[in-house]
Amino acid sequence: DSGVTQTPKHLITATGQRVTLRCSPRSGDLSVYWYQQSLDQGLQFLIQYYNGEERAKGNILERFSAQQFPDLHSELNLSSLELGDSALYFCASSKDRGTDTQYFGPGTRLTVL
Amino acid sequence: GESVGLHLPTLSVQEGDNSIINCAYSNSASDYFIWYKQESGKGPQFIIDIRSNMDKRQGQRVTVLLNKTVKHLSLQIAATQPGDSAVYFCAENIGGATNKLIFGTGTLLAVQP
Repeated sequence: DSGVTQTPKHLITATGQRVTLRCSPRSGDLSVYWYQQSLDQGLQFLIQYYNGEERAKGNILERFSAQQFPDLHSELNLSSLELGDSALYFCASSKDRGTDTQYFGPGTRLTVL
Repeated sequence: GESVGLHLPTLSVQEGDNSIINCAYSNSASDYFIWYKQESGKGPQFIIDIRSNMDKRQGQRVTVLLNKTVKHLSLQIAATQPGDSAVYFCAENIGGATNKLIFGTGTLLAVQP
């Protein structure tokens, strides 16, 4: 158990809908990262937050957004969902924003029908 | 267009043998490298890391070798066990103010009893 928690574990929804994925980092970690793992793209970095502020953006679609709250938990919002958004979404956390080990949560499996 | 799943290289070894998993990384500016293990249905699990000022690092039953000249990373697992069966990913961190990880496509390690 990495200490990173994610909810829900599974999510099934329809195209055009909006969902919110939640992540709680390890105790003491200030940085949260979101990654997408799909069959054809592998593990792709989406976005990083550090102590409530956006730090880095990767291959994140405009339909997707994230935030990190004062208690350091984070949410990833996916809207206008398409079939191709079906994937595993992982959250990771680390102590600081620099080069630091990232510990991953168990993931949320999103299925868009 | 049609989506095609990533073709994962597979390494099949006998229980008790040593395993060597290789990875080529892309960015010569990367200064931190990590190996993760991902079991089916779970998030990536940290195994071992190495910084660019080192060429070898040993953990329990695992050794990581870094060759910066050819941008190559390898993970050696001694006395491979059935519980080592998983997909192994190398990841590189280009450093700076962010901690963004770029993942390789992964290698499936299958341990035969």
